[in-house]
Amino acid sequence: KNEVEQSPQNLTAQEGEFITINCSYSVGISALHWLQQHPGGGIVSLFMLSSGKKKHGRLIATINIQEKHSSLHITASHPRDSAVYICARPGTASKLTFGTGTRLQVTL
Amino acid sequence: NAGVTQTPKFQVLKTGQSMTLQCAQDMNHNSMYWYRQDPGMGLRLIYYSASEGTTDKGEVPNGYNVSRLNKREFSLRLESAAPSQTSVYFCASSETENSPLHFGNGTRLTVT
Repeated sequence: KNEVEQSPQNLTAQEGEFITINCSYSVGISALHWLQQHPGGGIVSLFMLSSGKKKHGRLIATINIQEKHSSLHITASHPRDSAVYICARPGTASKLTFGTGTRLQVTL
Repeated sequence: NAGVTQTPKFQVLKTGQSMTLQCAQDMNHNSMYWYRQDPGMGLRLIYYSASEGTTDKGEVPNGYNVSRLNKREFSLRLESAAPSQTSVYFCASSETENSPLHFGNGTRLTVT
C-alpha cells in the first residue's frame, strides 16, 4: 500500500470551476510537496509546505499535520491547468514517497 | 538559465545493450536525483547524490549505476539493459535535500 494516497484519481471540470485535489499519508512528515506534470511530461514543483497554507496565483495548498492530510485547490480553473498533480511526502533522508497523481482535465 | 538538462529525450535499446543518461544542472544545487516513472506507479528514486562526491541507493537501484562527475553533472548508467527497465527517467536537483525539486524533461527509454 502506497504511503501516500491521492483522490480523486481522475477529475474533469469545466472552465471556471473550483477544484480540490486531496492527499493523505500514513506517516508523519516534515514537509509535503505538490508537483504538476504537464501533458508533455515535464514536472514542475508547485509547493513545499509543512504547516498552514501557501498560495501562488490561483493555486492554494493547505496541510493539516494532525490529520495527515493536504489539499490542493485551483480557483477559476482554466484548460491550461489540465495536468497530473502529484503529492509527495519526504521519507528518510532525501527519499520522497510519491503519490500516483490526480489527472485533471479542464474543458471549455 | 537552462535549469536541469537531460539527454537523450528518447532511446531504444536491445536487451543487453548499455547506455548512459546524462544530466546537468546550472543552479549550483548540491543534491541530484534519478527517478523512474512507470504507469500506475508514483515516481521511484533510483539513486541520489546528496552532495558532490557522494552517491546513495534509492528505492530501486538494481541494474543501475551512477556517477556524480562534479557538482553540475550526475549520470545514470545501464550496463546491461533489460525490458523491465523500459520506463521514463527523470533527473532532478535541489539546493539541499529539504528544498524544492527541479526536474529535467525526462528520457523515454524502451528496451526490446
